[in-house]
Amino acid sequence: QLQLQESGPGLVKPSETLSLTCSVSGGFISSSSYYWGWIRQPPGKGLEWIGTIYYSGSTYYSPSLKSRVTMSVDTSKNQFSLKLTSVTAADTAVYYCARQRGYSFNYWGQGTLVTVSS
Amino acid sequence: QSALTQPPSASGSPGQSVTISCTGTSSDVGGYNYVSWYQQHPGKAPKLMIYEVTKRPSGVPDRFSGSKSGNTASLTVSGLQAEDEADYYCSSYAVNNNWVFGGGTKLTVL
Repeated sequence: QLQLQESGPGLVKPSETLSLTCSVSGGFISSSSYYWGWIRQPPGKGLEWIGTIYYSGSTYYSPSLKSRVTMSVDTSKNQFSLKLTSVTAADTAVYYCARQRGYSFNYWGQGTLVTVSS
Repeated sequence: QSALTQPPSASGSPGQSVTISCTGTSSDVGGYNYVSWYQQHPGKAPKLMIYEVTKRPSGVPDRFSGSKSGNTASLTVSGLQAEDEADYYCSSYAVNNNWVFGGGTKLTVL
């Protein structure tokens, strides 16, 4: 059974960089059938797509976050990562990693809350 | 890329049917048959319920169905059950390799 687990600091200071990793088990991140994505959800609000990465390293980012986002993949560790620079309180959210099959997100991690505060 | 438009709330009694709409543009919902619907219970991760407008993943009850007309997609839940009470989000592939979500609809089973 595929499992995704987000990990990283739960508290980040304003203007610093948010860094998260998604560890994949029960499947291979290098499978040619899937892409891997990050989605976030501010407290009490809706979902927002952040970006998507393929095992080869190809990336697609949300236009609204593109200038601050970098995604990477480590096939040897079966992980992919998210970096979001120059964070503000508006970046406080639950961050989910997910597997994309085709054009939908069919497996999700449990999510991790990241709070931006000094 | 603007968020897709969903009604903030919907409701129905057990056994009834309810339909949730999701309106976008010709650059997303109207331009591609790649609309998905997700169910999210409080404190839980979203769960895929419908993909490619009408398709149901294995394990999703056939009470859930999807459709699309022009720039508006819809999710219909038939034979409402108490466990269907949740937030529902639509999502669509959009031009230039983007994905966009709706604002979410809170479904209440009366």
